[in-house]
Amino acid sequence: DAGVIQSPRHEVTEMGQEVTLRCKPISGHNSLFWYRQTMMRGLELLIYFNNNVPIDDSGMPEDRFSAKMPNASFSTLKIQPSEPRDSAVYFCASSLGLFGGKPQHFGDGTRLSIL
Amino acid sequence: DQQVKQNSPSLSVQEGRISILNCDYTNSMFDYFLWYKKYPAEGPTFLISISSIKDKNEDGRFTVFLNKSAKHLSLHIVPSQPGDSAVYFCAASEKGAQKLVFGQGTRLTINP
Repeated sequence: DAGVIQSPRHEVTEMGQEVTLRCKPISGHNSLFWYRQTMMRGLELLIYFNNNVPIDDSGMPEDRFSAKMPNASFSTLKIQPSEPRDSAVYFCASSLGLFGGKPQHFGDGTRLSIL
Repeated sequence: DQQVKQNSPSLSVQEGRISILNCDYTNSMFDYFLWYKKYPAEGPTFLISISSIKDKNEDGRFTVFLNKSAKHLSLHIVPSQPGDSAVYFCAASEKGAQKLVFGQGTRLTINP
């Protein structure tokens, strides 16, 4: 079975550019999560969706960050404009179920470097 | 305010011995706990979980223990194998919530 697929795996861009990260969740999963991992803050939740609807975006750091889930099989995380402090590994995860108690399955991440 | 804490950034264990990874939490509303394992350049992989109604859950070489009064959980790996070398994350969620809160991780190294 295909797992969570993220693209690109690596992204290097200059400050001020728009960055779009993509995620395809596991088929049949109805919850999708975006995380960011940094040395300082560890693994932190940015936003999550349930049935394509954003449920909690309290972790989104600034208005420069936005996320969408136009359908059950695709989500994007956009940063515009990007800044060097946005450099991190961004993970997407998906899970099955409306309520808690379900493990989340992670993609392999996008390593983002903003110069 | 870190609600989930893994106080040991690293742990080194000899192959064949027991590895014990620890995790503390502060939020008394947490009722579901998970351990994830992460290799370099890969995403975290779910390992084992435990509900607050239990105090132990076992899956092969992996056992998770939960002490609710101490707000402490631990992951035991017996016997430890070289392939267990990875970063281990503890995570928790409140009842009915999908949101996971992760600890900072512990890097486990199994020495031959």
